[in-house]
Amino acid sequence: KNEVEQSPQNLTAQEGEFITINCSYSVGISALHWLQQHPGGGIVSLFMLSSGKKKHGRLIATINIQEKHSSLHITASHPRDSAVYICAVNRGTSGSRLTFGEGTQLTVNP
Amino acid sequence: EPEVTQTPSHQVTQMGQEVILRCVPISNHLYFYWYRQILGQKVEFLVSFYNNEISEKSEIFDDQFSVERPDGSNFTLKIRSTKLEDSAMYFCASSDLGTTQYFGPGTRLLVL
Repeated sequence: KNEVEQSPQNLTAQEGEFITINCSYSVGISALHWLQQHPGGGIVSLFMLSSGKKKHGRLIATINIQEKHSSLHITASHPRDSAVYICAVNRGTSGSRLTFGEGTQLTVNP
Repeated sequence: EPEVTQTPSHQVTQMGQEVILRCVPISNHLYFYWYRQILGQKVEFLVSFYNNEISEKSEIFDDQFSVERPDGSNFTLKIRSTKLEDSAMYFCASSDLGTTQYFGPGTRLLVL
C-alpha cells in the first residue's frame, strides 16, 4: 500500500469549475506539500502545510492532521491549470526526503 | 528569481557507460536532493545531501550511484555503469531551511 494516496487519478473539468483533489497519507509527517508538474516535466512547489489552510490566488490547500488528509482546491479553473498535481510528505525532520503520491492529471477544457 | 538549473537537459547513453548529471542549486541553500521519475510512474527519492555529506539515501541509491559537491555551486549525481532501468527523468532540488524544496527542470536520461 502506498504511503501517500491521491484521488482522483484523472480529472476533467470545464473552465470555471471548482476543483478538488484529495490526498491521504498513512504515516506520521512533519509537513505536506502540493506540487504541480507541467507537461514538459518541470515540478513547481505550490504549498507546504503542517496545519490549517493556505491560499495563493485561486489555489487553496487544507490539511487535517488528525484524519491524515489534505485537499487542494482550485476555484474558477482555467485551461492553463491543466497539469499533474502531486501530493508529497516529509516524514522526518526539516530537510528530510519527500515521499510522493502518484499524482492527479487535471485537464480543464475551455 | 533564483532557480535550480540542471545540465544536460537530455542525455542518451549506452548501457554500461558512466553518466554525470549536473545541478546548480539556489546559492544560499543548504539541503540538496536527487529524485527520479521513471516514465509513467511517481517521483522517487534517491539521496539527500547536507553539510557536505549524504544525510539520507533510498534503497535505489546503491553502489552504482554517487553524489558530489565538487565546489561551492555544483551538485552532481554520477551513475557508474548505467542499466536500462536507469532510464528516467532525474530531478535535483534544493532548500534553505529544509522546508520548501525547489526543483530543477530535470535531466531526461535514456539508456540504450
